Amino acid sequence: QKEVEQNSGPLSVPEGAIASLNCTYSDRGSQSFFWYRQYSGKSPELIMFIYSNGDKEDGRFTAQLNKASQYVSLLIRDSQPSDSATYLCAVNQAGTALIFGKGTTLSVSS
Amino acid sequence: KAGVTQTPRYLIKTRGQQVTLSCSPISGHRSVSWYQQTPGQGLQFLFEYFSETQRNKGNFPGRFSGRQFSNSRSEMNVSTLELGDSALYLCASNANGGYNEQFFGPGTRLTVL
Repeated sequence: QKEVEQNSGPLSVPEGAIASLNCTYSDRGSQSFFWYRQYSGKSPELIMFIYSNGDKEDGRFTAQLNKASQYVSLLIRDSQPSDSATYLCAVNQAGTALIFGKGTTLSVSS
Repeated sequence: KAGVTQTPRYLIKTRGQQVTLSCSPISGHRSVSWYQQTPGQGLQFLFEYFSETQRNKGNFPGRFSGRQFSNSRSEMNVSTLELGDSALYLCASNANGGYNEQFFGPGTRLTVL
């Protein structure tokens, strides 16, 4: 059974801090890694994806991938109250469906 | 460009009934994937259609079925509804198939009584 694990949270950070969201996966053959954000009552939206080991930055977001440790993380710098949402990690192999974690709820307090 | 649309947005059914949900992808997108989201199981993949062909299927019973039309619109059907089928059903479209850069619709909230 291929699994993607995330701490459910809530993860609480003050405004302006760095939020660190973590995800581990069981399938060593996983090739693509995605982070989605889902606001309460809304549908998921893609924040970013990463394929290669290392860091990938997009604005205030940085995805980090370590395939040897089967670990992917999302850092949110200068966290804002508008970042408060559930963050879903998803992984797949080429041509296969995404397997989602159950998400981590982030709360940013002003 | 219009986003992914799903109808109906809310639905209440009773056990044993069947239901059909509809999804219209972003114009020009040929791939539609369906997901079930529940608090307990999270977001789970149901199936994907590309150019009217089912390409992948998740681990759901045969009561869950789908199809895609030539205009890329897709329908999902659930027969003999069970209480556990209560969930948010999401569809996602992708331009050329696969699962990268999927765009999700607003979902259909199904309640089974």
